[in-house]
Amino acid sequence: AQRVTQPEKLLSVFKGAPVELKCNYSYSGSPELFWYVQYSRQRLQLLLRHISRESIKGFTADLNKGETSFHLKKPFAQEEDSAMYYCALSGIRGTSGSRLTFGEGTQLTVNP
Amino acid sequence: ETGVTQSPTHLIKTRGQQVTLRCSSQSGHNTVSWYQQALGQGPQFIFQYYREEENGRGNFPPRFSGLQFPNYSSELNVNALELDDSALYLCASSFRTTWDEQYFGPGTRLTVT
Repeated sequence: AQRVTQPEKLLSVFKGAPVELKCNYSYSGSPELFWYVQYSRQRLQLLLRHISRESIKGFTADLNKGETSFHLKKPFAQEEDSAMYYCALSGIRGTSGSRLTFGEGTQLTVNP
Repeated sequence: ETGVTQSPTHLIKTRGQQVTLRCSSQSGHNTVSWYQQALGQGPQFIFQYYREEENGRGNFPPRFSGLQFPNYSSELNVNALELDDSALYLCASSFRTTWDEQYFGPGTRLTVT
């Protein structure tokens, strides 16, 4: 079974401070991991995926298979980063399609 | 490029009734997935359609059913509505069935009274 855990429902930091949103997963094979973001009054959208190894809006995430984690990090948070962040996992090609298993989300607030 | 659209935006139904939600996929996408998002929870996978056939299903009872049409638009049907069906229903489209970015619609808010 696939499972994604985001231990923090709420996270509050000050502008310019580092931020880390935690994500742990449970999956028997090699997963594809994603971070999705939902800004206020906007639809859910992809922020980044581990396979592309990109830095989007200053955010990075490293897949740690030993710790089964995929934490999202940004060295200097900005007020516009305030949003709901969801970690998501996709299973093995051909078995479960591109279904996404989401965590419960972390609401990030960046204070001025 | 046209994004994913969903209709209606909001819907109120009575327990026991049936409901149909609609989704138009993004131009060029042939896969549609449906998710249920209860208040305070992450989206939960219902099922996926690829080229008009079901291509995977989550842990939802048979009263949740779907269709995909030749133009890749899709419907989600829920029979015998229960109070716990109250949620935001999200549709997402993608081009391939695996490992592709999914583009989400704005959702339909269903309230069952």
